[in-house]
Parts: sequence; C-alpha cells; structure tokens
Amino acid sequence: AQSVTQPDIHITVSEGASLELRCNYSYGATPYLFWYVQSPGQGLQLLLKYFSGDTLVQGIKGFEAEFKRSQSSFNLRKPSVHWSDAAEYFCAVGALSGNQFYFGTGTSLTVIP
Amino acid sequence: DVKVTQSSRYLVKRTGEKVFLECVQDMDHENMFWYRQDPGLGLRLIYFSYDVKMKEKGDIPEGYSVSREKKERFSLILESASTNQTSMYLCASSLFGPGWNEQYFGPGTRLTVT
Repeated sequence: AQSVTQPDIHITVSEGASLELRCNYSYGATPYLFWYVQSPGQGLQLLLKYFSGDTLVQGIKGFEAEFKRSQSSFNLRKPSVHWSDAAEYFCAVGALSGNQFYFGTGTSLTVIP
Repeated sequence: DVKVTQSSRYLVKRTGEKVFLECVQDMDHENMFWYRQDPGLGLRLIYFSYDVKMKEKGDIPEGYSVSREKKERFSLILESASTNQTSMYLCASSLFGPGWNEQYFGPGTRLTVT
C-alpha cells in the first residue's frame, strides 16, 4: 500500500540554524514527490517537486530536497531558517499511473529567536 | 497565478443541517479535489473530479457527496452534518493527472458542527 511517513510531528529550531525535515515513502511505482508548506490560516503552497533527473531539487524560499531511492526518502532542507519559515510542512507522493496523491501527516516547525 | 477560492473561511452549522462548501478555480484545470485536514491525520482525500460531472471517491467519502456541473466549480455537500465532520476542508485543483501533477490549494473552510 502507498504511504508517506513524516516521523517528526514537531520540530523547533533557532533562527539562522539549519533545518532538515524527514519524509519516507512507500510506493510501488516510480514516485513523484512533493513538499508543501502551510502557513497559519492558509492553504498549502508547493515548495518543490521531484519527477526525475537530478536527485537534488531546488525550491522556493531557499528550500531544497534530496531524493534517495535506496532509502525511500525525500528530505527537505534549508541551510538557514528564518522566523517566517514557521509553518506546517507536508510531504506528498503520487505516480504517473495512479490517480491519487498521498500526503504525510505533516511536521510543524517552530522557529525561536 | 492560479487562484482557488472557497466560499467561506469559517462556517458554523447545526447537527442535521445540509451544508454546501463551494470551490472555484480560475485556470481551466481538469482535476479538482476535496480534502479534510485534522490534527495528527494530515490531509485525507474525500472526493476528486477529473472532468465535469465525473467524480471518484477518495479515502473517506462516507457522509459526503460532491457536484461538478461546471469545470471551474466543485462543491462538497454534507447531506446531514454531524459533529464528527467538524474539520478544516481544503479544495485543490490540478491541470493534469491527479497522481502526478502539482495541486493548487484554496485557503480552506473551517467548519464547526454544533
């Protein structure tokens, strides 16, 4: 069965520190992978996506993610976190042959000064 | 920019009422989706539509129905609202294949059923 796991429910980092949010997936087909961000009271916004090619993908707001097929992971990173990055982050997986997305349960990020 | 709008940001209804949540997208997208979002459960797909008048059940369709009479509009209907349907409802749209194309989300409707 397809699934997405975000093992960290909540993460707190200091402003200026680096960030890594974990995402593991289970999917039979070649996965299409996405990271979304949800600011308080808002809908979800796409940060980045991976379809094929270079396994390190760059997104908006200085985020990047690396696809590691051997580990079934697609972790999100940012070298220096800003207070405005405080939000909920969702990993999602889909496939060319499928007709649904599968979202993880989200990781809530708190940024402290 | 793609814009997905939802008719209400906040809604309070009574148990047993019929509730309509409306969603409109302005980019001629083929696919539209309704999710509910609950703490600790992430987003769960209720229904999606891949064309006008076409729909498919998602993971949690019980207690809900949908309507898509026009390409740009996708409605979620709670036939008889219950307290366990208190939640955040998110609408989304995508241009192509639901399984692999990025989705664009509306701001959400926070529904409270009392």
